[in-house]
Amino acid sequence: GAVVSQHPSRVICKSGTSVKIECRSLDFQATTMFWYRQFPKQSLMLMATSNEGSKATYEQGVEKDKFLINHASLTLSTLTVTSAHPEDSSFYICSARQSDIFYTEAFFGQGTRLTVV
Amino acid sequence: KQEVTQIPAALSVPEGENLVLNCSFTDSAIYNLQWFRQDPGKGLTSLLLIQSSQREQTSGRLNASLDKSSGRSTLYIAASQPGDSATYLCAVRPMNYGGSQGNLIFGKGTKLSVKP
Repeated sequence: GAVVSQHPSRVICKSGTSVKIECRSLDFQATTMFWYRQFPKQSLMLMATSNEGSKATYEQGVEKDKFLINHASLTLSTLTVTSAHPEDSSFYICSARQSDIFYTEAFFGQGTRLTVV
Repeated sequence: KQEVTQIPAALSVPEGENLVLNCSFTDSAIYNLQWFRQDPGKGLTSLLLIQSSQREQTSGRLNASLDKSSGRSTLYIAASQPGDSATYLCAVRPMNYGGSQGNLIFGKGTKLSVKP
């Protein structure tokens, strides 16, 4: 399968600072990337969908000004958590789809464990 | 609203045992269903993808079935090994999800522990 690389795998930051997470498709061009969040003992929940060159579509309840998503190229999407708070501590994971056919398989990165202290 | 439920939440079995993990979903309007494996603190490894027109998929010791009309899927693991210990996630790709086409709706997972 296709490879999606996510960086960093772990990050600890102070409350009030910003953290950027990168998601790269290594061997394919990703027209669409998804960002999910997983709290302990909970399901992965979709935060937003990004398409290259356009604004991200955020799910209900996700603050777009707090979670900035940039999909500037067909191989890179970034999620920036701005003014992080301890309640933002979670597991963030991206997935990328190489086709415009939206029901085709998307491939996942390794995830980022964010801890805000 | 599509909801995915996985039963049991946790399962512990001795090595060598065959086992079944269950997944149910509330809306049968799906494009496909996917089973993943998640190791602690790690990302997702895709195990099997079943299209809505298919009844089952097999990969090695894994077999996944899909009964779309009843909203159920099972993941069968034969001859379980300690290395199979992980959390298994079921996810569906819904047809009716508004703007975010192609995303997945996940269950909470079944945490499997295979004892040597």
